Amino acid sequence: EAGVVQSPRYKIIEKKQPVAFWCNPISGHNTLYWYLQNLGQGPELLIRYENEEAVDDSQLPKDRFSAERLKGVDSTLKIQPAELGDSAVYLCASSLGMRGAYNEQFFGPGTRLTVL
Amino acid sequence: DAKTTQPPSMDCAEGRAANLPCNHSTISGNEYVYWYRQIHSQGPQYIIHGLKNNETNEMASLIITEDRKSSTLILPHATLRDTAVYYCIVRGQNTDKLIFGTGTRLQVFP
Repeated sequence: EAGVVQSPRYKIIEKKQPVAFWCNPISGHNTLYWYLQNLGQGPELLIRYENEEAVDDSQLPKDRFSAERLKGVDSTLKIQPAELGDSAVYLCASSLGMRGAYNEQFFGPGTRLTVL
Repeated sequence: DAKTTQPPSMDCAEGRAANLPCNHSTISGNEYVYWYRQIHSQGPQYIIHGLKNNETNEMASLIITEDRKSSTLILPHATLRDTAVYYCIVRGQNTDKLIFGTGTRLQVFP
């Protein structure tokens, strides 16, 4: 069974340019997460979706970051415009999303963004 | 903020047991202890979790002290492929939210 798929794996852009990351979760997983991971730090949650609804986006910098999960399956995270400080790894994770039970999160390999 | 404290790094000889400690002195009664690991250039991977009893699975064992203020993840026979950053996470019962700290970087050497 395929795991969480992310693309691209690496992206290099100049500051002020837009960038988008794509994530396809494990089939049947209702919950999707986007995390940001800075060098030497643990991942930090940006946004969580239950199906197509963003249920926790409190940590998403909404002035430049946006995300969507239109059909409740794959998702796109966008940054416009990118800043130097956005250089990091962007991780996507998914889980079954069953109520009343712990839902193990499965992570993708991440997209490493470098902003020059 | 993360509710756990871990040593920044540890070494372990291949074939020996790796014992990774974690302090979570402010843990409350309905919070679980989770362990994830992250191998270089990969996303984090779930290892094990527990509430108050010791737990074992095919990857590792989790020992939680009686007062639940600390725990130890045990990899019984470490291999080179176990080299990774190991995260100890305290998670509430009614949330799937994971708050990662900086973890312990485990280096397994030949």
